[in-house]
Amino acid sequence: QVQLVESGGGVVQPGGSLRLSCAASGFTFSSYGMHWVRQAPGKGLEWVAFIRYDGSNKYYADSVKGRFTISRDNSKNTLYLQMNSLRAEDTAVYYCAKDLKTVAVHAFDIWGQGTMVTVSS
Amino acid sequence: QSALTQPRSVSGSPGQSVTISCTGTSSDVGGYNYVSWYQQHPGKAPKLMIYDVSKRPSGVPDRFSGSKSGNTASLTISGLQAEDEADYYCCSYAGSYTLFGGGTKLTVL
Repeated sequence: QVQLVESGGGVVQPGGSLRLSCAASGFTFSSYGMHWVRQAPGKGLEWVAFIRYDGSNKYYADSVKGRFTISRDNSKNTLYLQMNSLRAEDTAVYYCAKDLKTVAVHAFDIWGQGTMVTVSS
Repeated sequence: QSALTQPRSVSGSPGQSVTISCTGTSSDVGGYNYVSWYQQHPGKAPKLMIYDVSKRPSGVPDRFSGSKSGNTASLTISGLQAEDEADYYCCSYAGSYTLFGGGTKLTVL
């Protein structure tokens, strides 16, 4: 079935780095744009980043621009989020999400279960 | 990149209708027909309920409907049911980024 499975979360000190992965299955991964969305504990959803189906375009929220990098490996059906210079305010559950259409409409029809990132000393 | 504005909470009795508003600007909600709505139950991943302002994915009951006027989008839930109690988020494309609303807690009385 259509599925997204995140991994790579954990506890990291402020200023540290972490790389999240999202393994996709059940659909043609290389045809869809993909997103990362996060949710701080007890807070709302925040869009983090988007990557076009072929990796040619990437967009970021201002809050992570210059620190986070989204990438993908279509041969491995895997999405990544490299997070550097982490701050306490980056503490959140990180979800990967599939765009609904092949021509990205920034609506997310499939979500992973989420992976928790905690930035704390 | 300011979050879209939603009411913190709404409530209604079973069988009634409720509407959740989502206010943005001409650079996001008002500028594109790429508004979507998500339902999130505690401890669960969000679920897509409405996309392209008013379209429903397969499997979403037709009790859920979406609309937009100017810079404000709305989600209406008719015939409220107990299982509709959840947090609801609007979302809009804004060119080079995407915005969520702050979320609205729906309580079914």
